[in-house]
Formats: sequence, structure tokens, C-alpha cells
Amino acid sequence: DQQVKQNSPSLSVQEGRISILNCDYTNSMFDYFLWYKKYPAEGPTFLISISSIKDKNEDGRFTVFLNKSAKHLSLHIVPSQPGDSAVYFCAATAHNTGTASKLTFGTGTRLQVTL
Amino acid sequence: DVKVTQSSRYLVKRTGEKVFLECVQDMDHENMFWYRQDPGLGLRLIYFSYDVKMKEKGDIPEGYSVSREKKERFSLILESASTNQTSMYLCASSFAGANYGYTFGSGTRLTVV
Repeated sequence: DQQVKQNSPSLSVQEGRISILNCDYTNSMFDYFLWYKKYPAEGPTFLISISSIKDKNEDGRFTVFLNKSAKHLSLHIVPSQPGDSAVYFCAATAHNTGTASKLTFGTGTRLQVTL
Repeated sequence: DVKVTQSSRYLVKRTGEKVFLECVQDMDHENMFWYRQDPGLGLRLIYFSYDVKMKEKGDIPEGYSVSREKKERFSLILESASTNQTSMYLCASSFAGANYGYTFGSGTRLTVV
């Protein structure tokens, strides 16, 4: 049962354009969402996060939007750069899950930014 | 520079062997996690620990066990390796509380033949 879904396994975008990566979730208890970026042969690195009390969070070229009613979030990268080419994972957690803050990850979207 | 270090980048083991994957973090994090990454399945949680000697099962614990004798070290054990455990294994750590993202190690690519 995939509670966090990234339905696009891959995305190709031209340099300078906007990249939009999408993520859907099914668990209504999730209240905090994160995006991670992963290069080959490296571990994922934290990119940006958003709490369910917000609908938008911005950090430089990266913006995450949250639509709680649709259980959908998206990551916008503007402008896209070749160094953004990586696999992007969406992750979610619920604060009241007890002893540790487990993250549930999506399946990932491979972004390729072309010249 | 803060780090999560996994002892091996690549491992090849035979079916039936007992396999130890080691992870050490230097950030004084309370929580530590083991995930595996497989194509089309994303990252799936195997086990996690929120304190020394404490452990909880994740989503796919079958065939695995863990050990956390010291705060900085979290070991994943494959009691009898099987070919379906061929995967990329990722260790992560975090402070307690959901607002702190994980810090991941670089991963161990395990092949069971």
C-alpha cells in the first residue's frame, strides 16, 4: 500500500524552464512533507519541507506547494539548471506517530535538465 | 562536516551468509533508520531506532534484524542472505521530532549471489 505516490517516474526539462514534480498522498494523518534530492552513488539530501499549516514554502529557486484537500504537493524549480538533474523523492510524516518521526517516501521522479 | 558513514559502498555475499551492514553518525542524533531503495519502489523502511537498545519494525522487517548498542552506531543484520535482498541499503539519522529531516549515508550496494 503506497501511501506516498509519485506517478511520474521521469521528467525532462530544458535548462532555464520550470520543473514541476508532483506527489500525492493517501494518509490524512500526514502533517509534514519533505523533498529529497538524490544523485547516483550518494545518499538523498534534504531539499525543502512544508508543514500542513502552510500552503507554500519557498527557498531560492525551489518552492513547494501543498493542497491538503487534494492530498497533493508539488515541487517547482525555477529556473532549472543542469545540476538539478537527479532523482527527487517526496516524503511525509505525522507528528503523532509515537516514538520516532518516520518518513514515508514516494517512489521518486528522475529529473533530467537538458541544455 | 556532519556525517553518516556506512562501512561499505559495495558488498557481494553468497546466499545463506550472515551479513552485517554498519552505520555510524557523528551528530548525536537520537533516531537512526535503515531503508532499502529498489527501482520503482522508492525507499522502504526496514527498521528504526529512537534510542540506544530500542528498535521498532518498519514496513519490511522480514529477514532483517538490527542492533543499537551505542547511540552513534546502528547495525543492520541479514540473518541468512537471499537473492531478493539484493538492493541499495541506506542508513539515516535525525534528531527527535518530525521537523528535522534525515541525514543519509552514501549507501551500500549489496548483491547476494
